Amino acid sequence: GQNIDQPTEMTATEGAIVQINCTYQTSGFNGLFWYQQHAGEAPTFLSYNVLDGLEEKGRFSSFLSRSKGYSYLLLKELQMKDSASYLCAVPGGSWGKLQFGAGTQVVVTP
Amino acid sequence: ETGVTQTPRHLVMGMTNKKSLKCEQHLGHNAMYWYKQSAKKPLELMFVYSLEERVENNSVPSRFSPECPNSSHLFLHLHTLQPEDSALYLCASSQVLVAGGINEQFFGPGTRLTVL
Repeated sequence: GQNIDQPTEMTATEGAIVQINCTYQTSGFNGLFWYQQHAGEAPTFLSYNVLDGLEEKGRFSSFLSRSKGYSYLLLKELQMKDSASYLCAVPGGSWGKLQFGAGTQVVVTP
Repeated sequence: ETGVTQTPRHLVMGMTNKKSLKCEQHLGHNAMYWYKQSAKKPLELMFVYSLEERVENNSVPSRFSPECPNSSHLFLHLHTLQPEDSALYLCASSQVLVAGGINEQFFGPGTRLTVL
């Protein structure tokens, strides 16, 4: 099985940068996903890392270190609309299953 | 309609009621999932269907009964629920690759269920 840990909540101001860490322990590894979930809405896919290193997509970047069982999601130039929960997930066996962390609630203040 | 839709969006039911949640995916995917999301807890996978066949049941109580009549539709039938079953129920779909690898899951907006 997998143990996935991420902070419960983070607060940052508009225009700032926030880094959300995720650590995992898994018996097998096939990549790591990040999802964004606004309150009362569906989780939406942000990124998928399968190789070590940093992948950038506009204001959002995701980093993976497989040897350390560690990933982070970097949100730059924060906007109010970035206030949401950010979920880290790893594949959990067959049939495309995912195992999720509890999510990190990011609060962006003016 | 595009993506994954779920109805109803909100549901309040008593412990003796019977109700059903519906999910429909318009993405041509071959796998569908039911999740339970409670406050401050990770998403809990309940059921997995691949090509209309249930391939996983994660020790879910029998008061939750899934049904997958075709690859686009998924239901969750509810009966004699408990107040602790109150949660957000999310449906998702993905394209499972026979050769290995993994694709992202696409989620519906969820049904907010309250059991009185």
